[in-house]
Amino acid sequence: AQSVDQPDAHVTLSEGASLELRCSYSYSAAPYLFWYVQYPGQSLQFLLKYITGDTVVKGTKGFEAEFRKSNSSFNLKKSPAHWSDSAKYFCALEFQGGSAKLIFGEGTKLTVSS
Amino acid sequence: GPKVLQIPSHQIIDMGQMVTLNCDPVSNHLYFYWYKQILGQQMEFLVNFYNGKVMEKSKLFKDQFSVERPDGSYFTLKIQPTALEDSAVYFCASSLRVGEVFFGKGTRLTVV
Repeated sequence: AQSVDQPDAHVTLSEGASLELRCSYSYSAAPYLFWYVQYPGQSLQFLLKYITGDTVVKGTKGFEAEFRKSNSSFNLKKSPAHWSDSAKYFCALEFQGGSAKLIFGEGTKLTVSS
Repeated sequence: GPKVLQIPSHQIIDMGQMVTLNCDPVSNHLYFYWYKQILGQQMEFLVNFYNGKVMEKSKLFKDQFSVERPDGSYFTLKIQPTALEDSAVYFCASSLRVGEVFFGKGTRLTVV
């Protein structure tokens, strides 16, 4: 079955450090992968996506993610982290073929202390 | 940026009653979605809608659920009758094409 796993429910780091949020997926075909961020009291906001091509994709707010087919991962990275990056981050998988259905991971709550 | 508006933000309803959750999607978007999130759990796909029809629905989209977007107005999720297990946050979303999806802030539904 298709699934998305975000193994870290909480990540805490200091401002200026490098952040990497882990995401792995299970899907038999080539996936479309996304990262979304949710600030407190706000809706989910799109950060970046991987469809095909370059395995390192850059998104908004200085984030990037690397698609690694070898270990079915799509980790989100940013350096340096800023206190304003504190939020909950969701990795998502979309089925190919235009079904427009996203499967979400459980999310990682990131806290960046200043 | 583009915004998806959900009305109301909170709703409390008696079990067995009908509820309609309203969503005002981004104006030029073509695809519409509902997702359900029970507290502390991941967000789960309910249904998507395109060109006036349901494209796909999940097992969570029970027979008591229905969606419509009459005359290009609100995209609605109706639950009739409601059950206690329907208590959750319901997120509406829309997209212009398959891919980048814009979400609303959610409607917290409490069935008592």
